[in-house]
Amino acid sequence: IAGITQAPTSQILAAGRRMTLRCTQDMRHNAMYWYRQDLGLGLRLIHYSNTAGTTGKGEVPDGYSVSRANTDDFPLTLASAVPSQTSVYFCASSDSGTSNEQFFGPGTRLTVL
Amino acid sequence: GQNIDQPTEMTATEGAIVQINCTYQTSGFNGLFWYQQHAGEAPTFLSYNVLDGLEEKGRFSSFLSRSKGYSYLLLKELQMKDSASYLCAVLDSNYQLIWGAGTKLIIKP
Repeated sequence: IAGITQAPTSQILAAGRRMTLRCTQDMRHNAMYWYRQDLGLGLRLIHYSNTAGTTGKGEVPDGYSVSRANTDDFPLTLASAVPSQTSVYFCASSDSGTSNEQFFGPGTRLTVL
Repeated sequence: GQNIDQPTEMTATEGAIVQINCTYQTSGFNGLFWYQQHAGEAPTFLSYNVLDGLEEKGRFSSFLSRSKGYSYLLLKELQMKDSASYLCAVLDSNYQLIWGAGTKLIIKP
């Protein structure tokens, strides 16, 4: 693989179900991020990780959790999905927590019914 | 609060020039980014400005005035493939990116 991959590409989920969105990068970037993108709004940061083993809360963390067991993987979990979590989710990475360019994965389109 | 403002939508003609403005009010400033996002795709990096002035990269240029909290993206010799959303984002004092809602650029033949 080259860059960042996300899985699944899209998913329809019943409310109340648990769901994990996967993100893997092969660029050995220290920092990784999860964003959601909703129509008419900018990208909003959910959680981030500046380095393996550490995570932090972004602007809209409620209802989501993350882990960073190694450099490459940064899964996002919805413990009990609600319809307001219907969105497009983007994972991104950058060379360090204070870096410049962020590289984005292709996104996961999630619909919660 | 932190705020990034950019026009919602702009229309321009193929071959022409268009300027997309971005104004910002953030807690600290560590640089401003422009990204391009085609419909249904991920954002891709266009430019980064941290000092005042103009950065030119091919048909695209980006300008920054830190004292005015203002930037613009200039696209020359517009092509149909430039139809996309253009996202302005500021790296704040915590080194988190604050994103504008994006400007949808429509190119007409």
